[in-house]
Amino acid sequence: AQKVTQAQTEISVVEKEDVTLDCVYETRDTTYYLFWYKQPPSGELVFLIRRNSFDEQNEISGRYSWNFQKSTSSFNFTITASQVVDSAVYFCALSEDFLVIQGAQKLVFGQGTRLTINP
Amino acid sequence: DGGITQSPKYLFRKEGQNVTLSCEQNLNHDAMYWYRQDPGQGLRLIYYSQIVNDFQKGDIAEGYSVSREKKESFPLTVTSAQKNPTAFYLCASSIDLGGSIEQFFGPGTRLTVL
Repeated sequence: AQKVTQAQTEISVVEKEDVTLDCVYETRDTTYYLFWYKQPPSGELVFLIRRNSFDEQNEISGRYSWNFQKSTSSFNFTITASQVVDSAVYFCALSEDFLVIQGAQKLVFGQGTRLTINP
Repeated sequence: DGGITQSPKYLFRKEGQNVTLSCEQNLNHDAMYWYRQDPGQGLRLIYYSQIVNDFQKGDIAEGYSVSREKKESFPLTVTSAQKNPTAFYLCASSIDLGGSIEQFFGPGTRLTVL
């Protein structure tokens, strides 16, 4: 069965430090998609990235970068030079290809990591 | 502006009462979803709907009901059969990007049952 584990419940760092959020997944499918979402205090989930299982290239977007390693079933997220505005709960999620049914997609979420950036 | 609206932001109800949470989207998305979030936990899928007049149970559908009479609307009713209804409820809708599907989320409704 599919499962996403975010072992870090809470992380607290000082502004400008780099921080990595870990995500480990389990899936029986060879085709799947991985996601990261940010949940600020307002509660709404903000989409950050989507990666399919055939694309292991790392991605960088400004201060954000993602490291996808199929060999270790991990999809880690790094924030470089963190800022106070990065404080939020971050969720990693998985969708397997067979869970895409008639245009709908079932997402399986990790427990989330609460990141606090202190000034 | 296009987006997903959930109202109200905070909702209080007495134990034993049914309550309906609203979710409206003007993104012209076919699929819509309801998730529940408890403290320290990830989101869990309650119900989803691929098209109008059709919906499927998610992982934790017991004690909930939905309807999908219009493309824009997907209300969730929390019934008195739900044992622990106090939670944060998030609605989402999605578009098929021809290879993957991206879900957009609403601002959520925090339900407290007293």
